[in-house]
Amino acid sequence: GENVEQHPSTLSVQEGDSAVIKCTYSDSASNYFPWYKQELGKRPQLIIDIRSNVGEKKDQRIAVTLNKTAKHFSLHITETQPEDSAVYFCAASISTGFQKLVFGTGTRLLVSP
Amino acid sequence: NAGVTQTPKFRILKIGQSMTLQCAQDMNHNYMYWYRQDPGMGLKLIYYSVGAGITDKGEVPNGYNVSRSTTEDFPLRLELAAPSQTSVYFCASSRGQETQYFGPGTRLLVL
Repeated sequence: GENVEQHPSTLSVQEGDSAVIKCTYSDSASNYFPWYKQELGKRPQLIIDIRSNVGEKKDQRIAVTLNKTAKHFSLHITETQPEDSAVYFCAASISTGFQKLVFGTGTRLLVSP
Repeated sequence: NAGVTQTPKFRILKIGQSMTLQCAQDMNHNYMYWYRQDPGMGLKLIYYSVGAGITDKGEVPNGYNVSRSTTEDFPLRLELAAPSQTSVYFCASSRGQETQYFGPGTRLLVL
């Protein structure tokens, strides 16, 4: 079946550093790539997304890049803050007559003051 | 708008019991989804619906059933609960192929 691999599984950074999380996908027809942030015991919340007709998208300290040829996309967080600590999930759409999302296994980001 | 709501928040079931997890949304979204999230793992799609009266299986449908009689509601039925169904269940909705909005989740423990 379709697969999304996410790395690293855990990431520890110092406050103010940058953090990068990478995902690869297997379905060449995937065209929608959202990123979700999930705080402990809470629901996943969308933080940024990108569609296949765009190579990069930025929203303040968060950016996502997409390389369709290599079938990978990345989340970049700059000037990290302790409140960025959470689990981050990438996802890719798969199309079987209806676009469904396949999620990565998550990255636990810990930002130390 | 309340967004996506789920009940109950937490439930303990004995093996073999049945229950229905409720999900409702007030955003007039046509697409709705049920996911399960096992500890330390990502989200797996159980069932989804593209509109009232239309449902289809996701990656892990065994042991579950759904119905969609209205746009707002999308209940998930567990028949003959098993320990393997211990998980956190999230309902989500979207307007077509746009952002999926998640409910607060139902934590289920099967003993």
